[in-house]
Amino acid sequence: DGGITQSPKYLFRKEGQNVTLSCEQNLNHDAMYWYRQDPGQGLRLIYYSQIVNDFQKGDIAEGYSVSREKKESFPLTVTSAQKNPTAFYLCASRLDRSRYNEQFFGPGTRLTVL
Amino acid sequence: GEDVEQSLFLSVREGDSSVINCTYTDSSSTYLYWYKQEPGAGLQLLTYIFSNMDMKQDQRLTVLLNKKDKHLSLRIADTQTGDSAIYFCAETPNTGFQKLVFGTGTRLLVSP
Repeated sequence: DGGITQSPKYLFRKEGQNVTLSCEQNLNHDAMYWYRQDPGQGLRLIYYSQIVNDFQKGDIAEGYSVSREKKESFPLTVTSAQKNPTAFYLCASRLDRSRYNEQFFGPGTRLTVL
Repeated sequence: GEDVEQSLFLSVREGDSSVINCTYTDSSSTYLYWYKQEPGAGLQLLTYIFSNMDMKQDQRLTVLLNKKDKHLSLRIADTQTGDSAIYFCAETPNTGFQKLVFGTGTRLLVSP
């Protein structure tokens, strides 16, 4: 089965610690995305990557970092510089040649800072 | 500018029709989408509409697009309790296909 996996589903971290969220896809999609979801605010774009070894900042990149060393993987690191990291994080991917430009989403990781 | 707005909450009875509304500001958007999010899960693409269409129907779902008013709506016929979820509209802004801009989401509650 093709799809997007995110792990872990729930993550707890102490204030001041960095933490990395995993996102893997076996859809052979070109682009990958990280979004943050907070209640009543919809989805906000953190980072996105069109191709391997290249990525761009989204609307709320401060306090986050990413890498794209492999086409199928796009991990997100939440650093201690992120002032309010507790949120639901969603990873998505998109095929460049798709007719309708749709993005496909993973199941999400809920991060809680204690 | 890129801004997509939705009402936050809608409550209907099972069997009724639901209409979820969305307004957007980028008149050059090529595609507009409706996604569904069930509790604690990712987003699932429900349907999309191309900007040169006025209406699209897919089983119980009807999408209406009014480009003049930049208004998009999703009608769910014969709403079921399993339709309870958050519904997001999204657009592809003029900056290109690389990004989607999402609305704030409408929480639909269907009561028996």
